[in-house]
Amino acid sequence: GQQVMQIPQYQHVQEGEDFTTYCNSSTTLSNIQWYKQRPGGHPVFLIQLVKSGEVKKQKRLTFQFGEAKKNSSLHITATQTTDVGTYFCAGGSGGGADGLTFGKGTHLIIQP
Amino acid sequence: NAGVTQTPKFQVLKTGQSMTLQCAQDMNHEYMSWYRQDPGMGLRLIHYSVGAGITDQGEVPNGYNVSRSTTEDFPLRLLSAAPSQTSVYFCASSPGQFYGYTFGSGTRLTVV
Repeated sequence: GQQVMQIPQYQHVQEGEDFTTYCNSSTTLSNIQWYKQRPGGHPVFLIQLVKSGEVKKQKRLTFQFGEAKKNSSLHITATQTTDVGTYFCAGGSGGGADGLTFGKGTHLIIQP
Repeated sequence: NAGVTQTPKFQVLKTGQSMTLQCAQDMNHEYMSWYRQDPGMGLRLIHYSVGAGITDQGEVPNGYNVSRSTTEDFPLRLLSAAPSQTSVYFCASSPGQFYGYTFGSGTRLTVV
């Protein structure tokens, strides 16, 4: 079945530094979604990418979808303490009709 | 709108007991899914539904049953609880293909 690998598992940064998490799929994806989960909370939808090579920005967050639609990345510029949490990518193989396959997530730890 | 409501929030079961985790959404979403979250394992798909009367298995369906008799409700049944089913369970819903999922606040289940 479809596998979605996410690295790194943990990332420690100083406040103000940049952060990147990478997501790779064993199969071509129809779409990829990104979620953020705060400690003790539930996943919250951030964004979806559908097109090959697509790049989307949300303030300090930049999301990319690879040309082959098998990889994606999330980059945060100048991290803030509010960015703390776990970031998950989730890939769809059939436009969402088969359910999303989540990566294991990257835990972002920020040291002030 | 309440969004996605999960009950109970916490539950302790003895091995062999059965129970139903409730999930209801008031957003008229067609797609609903159940995930379990274990430390270091990310979110794993148990069962999903693309509409009332339609369900399918995800990555880890063994030991769980679902039904979708209405658009609003998607209960998850544990047939005979085992310690390996100790986890946090999340229900999520989406309007359909190429839309993000809204997650409930989760049910923390312990099987002793």
